[in-house]
Amino acid sequence: DQQVKQNSPSLSVQEGRISILNCDYTNSMFDYFLWYKKYPAEGPTFLISISSIKDKNEDGRFTVFLNKSAKHLSLHIVPSQPGDSAVYFCAASSSLSGGYNKLIFGAGTRLAVHP
Amino acid sequence: DVKVTQSSRYLVKRTGEKVFLECVQDMDHENMFWYRQDPGLGLRLIYFSYDVKMKEKGDIPEGYSVSREKKERFSLILESASTNQTSMYLCASRPTRDPRPQYFGPGTRLLVL
Repeated sequence: DQQVKQNSPSLSVQEGRISILNCDYTNSMFDYFLWYKKYPAEGPTFLISISSIKDKNEDGRFTVFLNKSAKHLSLHIVPSQPGDSAVYFCAASSSLSGGYNKLIFGAGTRLAVHP
Repeated sequence: DVKVTQSSRYLVKRTGEKVFLECVQDMDHENMFWYRQDPGLGLRLIYFSYDVKMKEKGDIPEGYSVSREKKERFSLILESASTNQTSMYLCASRPTRDPRPQYFGPGTRLLVL
């Protein structure tokens, strides 16, 4: 049973436009959500997180939105740059699951930003 | 900056060999993790440790064991490597203060022939 789903395996966006990556979850106990970016043959890099007490968190070009009623979060990248081309993983955890130690990852979305 | 290092970037082993993957973090984090990443499956937790000599099974512990003798070092052991353990192995660490992200090492790509 996939508790965290990224339904789009890939996304192609033009440089300068907005990239929107989506993630859905099923476990209502999740209260901390993260996005990681991964280049080939490298480890994931932490991008941005959001706690369930918020519905939006911004960091530079990256904004994460959380819709708890829909159990949905999204990552917006504005403006998109070619260096953003990577695989993006959504992850979720709960204070009840090993004190946030257990992260459940989605399968990832491959973003390609083209000139 | 958090630094998590892994002993090898690439490894080739034969079926039945004992394999050791080492991970070291320099941020005095209490918690350390081992994942494997396979295409289309995301990252799956093998084991984690919340303190020296403490360990907990993750979602896919079968065929693996771990060792944490020092706070900064967490080892993953494949007792008898099999071809279905060919994968990318990722180590991570995080502090206990909640909530905080996990920080990952560069990964070890293991090929079992």
